[in-house]
Amino acid sequence: DSGVTQTPKHLITATGQRVTLRCSPRSGDLSVYWYQQSLDQGLQFLIQYYNGEERAKGNILERFSAQQFPDLHSELNLSSLELGDSALYFCASSVTTGLGETQYFGPGTRLLVL
Amino acid sequence: GQSLEQPSEVTAVEGAIVQINCTYQTSGFYGLSWYQQHDGGAPTFLSYNGLDGLEETGRFSSFLSRSDSYGYLLLQELQMKDSASYFCAPYHTSGTYKYIFGTGTRLKVLA
Repeated sequence: DSGVTQTPKHLITATGQRVTLRCSPRSGDLSVYWYQQSLDQGLQFLIQYYNGEERAKGNILERFSAQQFPDLHSELNLSSLELGDSALYFCASSVTTGLGETQYFGPGTRLLVL
Repeated sequence: GQSLEQPSEVTAVEGAIVQINCTYQTSGFYGLSWYQQHDGGAPTFLSYNGLDGLEETGRFSSFLSRSDSYGYLLLQELQMKDSASYFCAPYHTSGTYKYIFGTGTRLKVLA
């Protein structure tokens, strides 16, 4: 157990719909990252938040948005869903030491768009 | 630009030793991490190399050569449970994000 929680575990929805994925980082971690992993694909970085502020953006579509709340949990909003959005969505929180950064991943949300 | 290369698949037998190579190109390189992911599971941190040389953690070792932009993960005394995907992830401090994860290497351990 990494200490990072994600809900829901599974989500089935239809094209055109909107969903919200939720992530709670490990206690004390200020950074939250969102990743998308499609079948047999690597981890695609979407976006990072640090202490409520957007820190970095990756390959995130305009239909997707995220935010981090004062209690540090984060939500990823996916709208106008397409079949190709079906994937595993991971969030991770991180701790930075003098030797770099270790990311702790949540169990993921499996999204299926029909 | 940024690039990351590692083999897509490696197969080995139980008890053997396997090495998964990783070459990368990125500006602002800081260190190299390795993550393991079992099918359907979340990636988990294995090791981090901030300096050149070998880091050993039990049956796993990781190596980094900054001058060659190259690293590898060495798995010894392979067990069936080591069957998973392994991602090398360069950590860099410039650009739009800090970690690059590629498509990983799928390791199959045969009995």
